[in-house]
Amino acid sequence: EAQVTQNPRYLITVTGKKLTVTCSQNMNHEYMSWYRQDPGLGLRQIYYSMNVEVTDKGDVPEGYKVSRKEKRNFPLILESPSPNQTSLYFCASSLIRTSGYEQYFGPGTRLTVT
Amino acid sequence: GDSVTQMEGPVTLSEEAFLTINCTYTATGYPSLFWYVQYPGEGLQLLLKATKADDKGSNKGFEATYRKETTSFHLEKGSVQVSDSAVYFCALFRPSGGYQKVTFGTGTKLQVIP
Repeated sequence: EAQVTQNPRYLITVTGKKLTVTCSQNMNHEYMSWYRQDPGLGLRQIYYSMNVEVTDKGDVPEGYKVSRKEKRNFPLILESPSPNQTSLYFCASSLIRTSGYEQYFGPGTRLTVT
Repeated sequence: GDSVTQMEGPVTLSEEAFLTINCTYTATGYPSLFWYVQYPGEGLQLLLKATKADDKGSNKGFEATYRKETTSFHLEKGSVQVSDSAVYFCALFRPSGGYQKVTFGTGTKLQVIP
């Protein structure tokens, strides 16, 4: 089954404790992206990747890191989480097409930072 | 910069009512436009898309027409069902040099009552 998986689905942590949210896709997609969803703000792009070892900032990259060492995986790293990073996070992937990216989304990771 | 504006929700309709969710955008050039749907507790799923002016995207009884003259991509359905209750996101994709950016609206929650 074609899918994007994220782990963990729920995470409660404390300020400053490094964490990683994993994202994996089995569709051989080149493009992968991370978003955060906040009430009243919709989805905002954090980082995206066009292919292995190619990443770039989205709209809200501060406080986050990513890496793309393998095509299927695109982990999101919070080196020192803060309460303002409490949010619902989505990973997405797609093929690269000039007509736009039809993204497949993971189920989401709800992160709470206390 | 690019932006997507959706009508404020929530929208509450009776079953079999006609649905319109307004979406307007600001972007230079010729973006591709998308509607995504998010069911409770799930990630987003692509509902329909249009890649050029006057294109009509359609899926599952939903339709939207890319109107460049009014910079709009309104979502419509002739007869909604309870199972259509979800949050609907309008989005645009516009490549800009090496930057592949996707911009989402804030989402419109639809509740359909029997």
